[in-house]
Amino acid sequence: DAKTTQPDSMESTEGETVHLPCSHATISGNEYIYWYRQVPLQGPEYVTHGLQQNTTNSMAFLAIASDRKSSTLILTHVSLRDAAVYHCILRASYYGGSGNKLIFGTGTLLSVKP
Amino acid sequence: DMKVTQMPRYLIKRMGENVLLECGQDMSHETMYWYRQDPGLGLQLIYISYDVDSNSEGDIPKGYRVSRKKREHFSLILDSAKTNQTSVYFCASSSPPAYEQYFGPGTRLTVL
Repeated sequence: DAKTTQPDSMESTEGETVHLPCSHATISGNEYIYWYRQVPLQGPEYVTHGLQQNTTNSMAFLAIASDRKSSTLILTHVSLRDAAVYHCILRASYYGGSGNKLIFGTGTLLSVKP
Repeated sequence: DMKVTQMPRYLIKRMGENVLLECGQDMSHETMYWYRQDPGLGLQLIYISYDVDSNSEGDIPKGYRVSRKKREHFSLILDSAKTNQTSVYFCASSSPPAYEQYFGPGTRLTVL
């Protein structure tokens, strides 16, 4: 399975912009980059995903390197509610089989100080 | 409001007892999933269901079976539970084209 590398932890302060990096040097052409987050005692929550172009939604901005070997999830004006483990995941674009599987690693624990 | 529900949220069983975990979704998603998550580990896929009565094994199906008789409902069954099946179980659902998975709040199962 394709692998991603993320820092174990990062710290921020409320109101700041946070850049969460993810390295995926062996990404295949048919793999999407997905980001999920999870807080203790809750299920994972979808954040965003992209293939090649940068994407943005109400939760985050995803910046994807031109060679697709790395990406950065950018959270603006973070609040205490953004404290979570953020997972960067590669997922095949075809439906069915392993394309449906989410392989979670340990992710990045984002701490947010008041 | 899109939602995946799981019942019960907490469950304690004795080894050898049967366990039924229920999952529901209100988004008419074709695909549903069962995962387990153990401390310090990521999610492990148990089963995928592509639609009613169309189920496939995931990575760790041994000791589990599933049932999907309605699109909105997906059950995980443990026949004769074992202590190593103590875990947090998450149900999820998804639908093309974006394939993002929506997760339930989890069921914390303890097998004594």
